Amino acid sequence: GAVVSQHPSRVICKSGTSVKIECRSLDFQATTMFWYRQFPKKSLMLMATSNEGSKATYEQGVEKDKFLINHASLTLSTLTVTSAHPEDSSFYICSARERKLAGGPGNIQYFGAGTRLSVL
Amino acid sequence: AQSVTQPDIHITVSEGASLELRCNYSYGATPYLFWYVQSPGQGLQLLLKYFSGDTLVQGIKGFEAEFKRSQSSFNLRKPSVHWSDAAEYFCAVGTTDSWGKLQFGAGTQVVVTP
Repeated sequence: GAVVSQHPSRVICKSGTSVKIECRSLDFQATTMFWYRQFPKKSLMLMATSNEGSKATYEQGVEKDKFLINHASLTLSTLTVTSAHPEDSSFYICSARERKLAGGPGNIQYFGAGTRLSVL
Repeated sequence: AQSVTQPDIHITVSEGASLELRCNYSYGATPYLFWYVQSPGQGLQLLLKYFSGDTLVQGIKGFEAEFKRSQSSFNLRKPSVHWSDAAEYFCAVGTTDSWGKLQFGAGTQVVVTP
């Protein structure tokens, strides 16, 4: 099955530093990757949609200068939390949408295991 | 705009008993529907999906779901739950836009008692 690897699984950083989270599709090509944020006991909130080779599209209310997204290849997207502050502490999850070469809606998203960010 | 409602925030079920999780959606066209499961501190795993065709879909781990257009529902069922089924379950509706975004329900926490 389709596997999405997200790294790191947990990161602790000091306030003001930047943190990079990687999301890789291991056995398929992903033209589109999504970044979500999840608060405790809450549902997933879509932050942004990234397409390979183009700028990410951010959801309303998400600061694009704080959450930098790069989708440099069909298998890798990165989320950089710049100048992190304690309020950025959260669980971040990526997903990748498989690129279908023929047939099917290709609308399945496969999720990474998430990254727990704690900003001190 | 589409929306997904999971009326039950929390469900407690005895091991071996049946489980049904409710999901209602609001969407103008025929939706793409999904059920995902999330274990604590983990990402989401796809249990099953409905795109078209047979309205009763089978998924992994013994789960099934039935799409009922007249009721705008896509309820998830399992005949006999195992302790390992304790997790958070999310229903989601996918759009047919070029991005393939998902709209998630609020989730249902399932607790399994001995």
